[in-house]
Amino acid sequence: GAVVSQHPSWVICKSGTSVKIECRSLDFQATTMFWYRQFPKQSLMLMATSNEGSKATYEQGVEKDKFLINHASLTLSTLTVTSAHPEDSSFYICSAPWGRDSYNEQFFGPGTRLTVL
Amino acid sequence: AQSVTQLGSHVSVSEGALVLLRCNYSSSVPPYLFWYVQYPNQGLQLLLKYTTGATLVKGINGFEAEFKKSETSFHLTKPSAHMSDAAEYFCAVTEGGGKLIFGQGTELSVKP
Repeated sequence: GAVVSQHPSWVICKSGTSVKIECRSLDFQATTMFWYRQFPKQSLMLMATSNEGSKATYEQGVEKDKFLINHASLTLSTLTVTSAHPEDSSFYICSAPWGRDSYNEQFFGPGTRLTVL
Repeated sequence: AQSVTQLGSHVSVSEGALVLLRCNYSSSVPPYLFWYVQYPNQGLQLLLKYTTGATLVKGINGFEAEFKKSETSFHLTKPSAHMSDAAEYFCAVTEGGGKLIFGQGTELSVKP
C-alpha cells in the first residue's frame, strides 16, 4: 500500500505556456500533500503544502501565482506552472503522508521532469 | 528552525567496503530522522527512520543508522557496499506538519 503516482513523468513545453502536473495517492486518502522541486545535483526544496478543501500553504520565496496548487479530492493534487520559463525547468516531486501509527511516513511520487524551451 | 547537514557531497567506496554517510541535524525538539535513497530520475525511497525507541535502526538493503542525541548525528552505515548501492542519499528531519527538511545529499559511488 501507500503508492503515490505522478503524471506526466516528463514534459517539454515552450516558454510562456502552462503545464499541469498531477499527484495521486493510489491506495490511500491524503488530506495533505507536499510539492518539492529539485535542481540537478541538488537537494529537494519544499515548495508548498497542498491541503484538501483549502488553500495551499507556500514556502517563503515561492510565487503562489506562478505555481498554482489545487487539491481537488482526497487522492489528487495538481501543480500548475503558469507562464513557464526556462528557469522553471526542474524535477518536481510530490509526497503524501500515510501511516498506521502515530507517525505518518511520507510516500513520494516518482517525479516529473519539466523542461521549458 | 530545523536543519540538516550532510558532510561530503560525494563518497566513493570499493565494492565490499564499509559505507559511512554522515548526517548532523539541528532541532529544538526531539526529531524524527530519515534516510532516503534516490536513483537517477526517480522519486525517493525510504531506507530507514528514527522516531522513538531504539537508537540503532535497521533499514532496507542492509543499511542501518544510529541516532546519537549528544552528537546530534544520524549517520548511515552499511558493512559491505554493493554496486547497486550507487545512488544519491538524503538525510531528512521533520518539521511541524509533516514537512521534511532535507540535507544537501551525498552521492555514493561504488567501485568494482
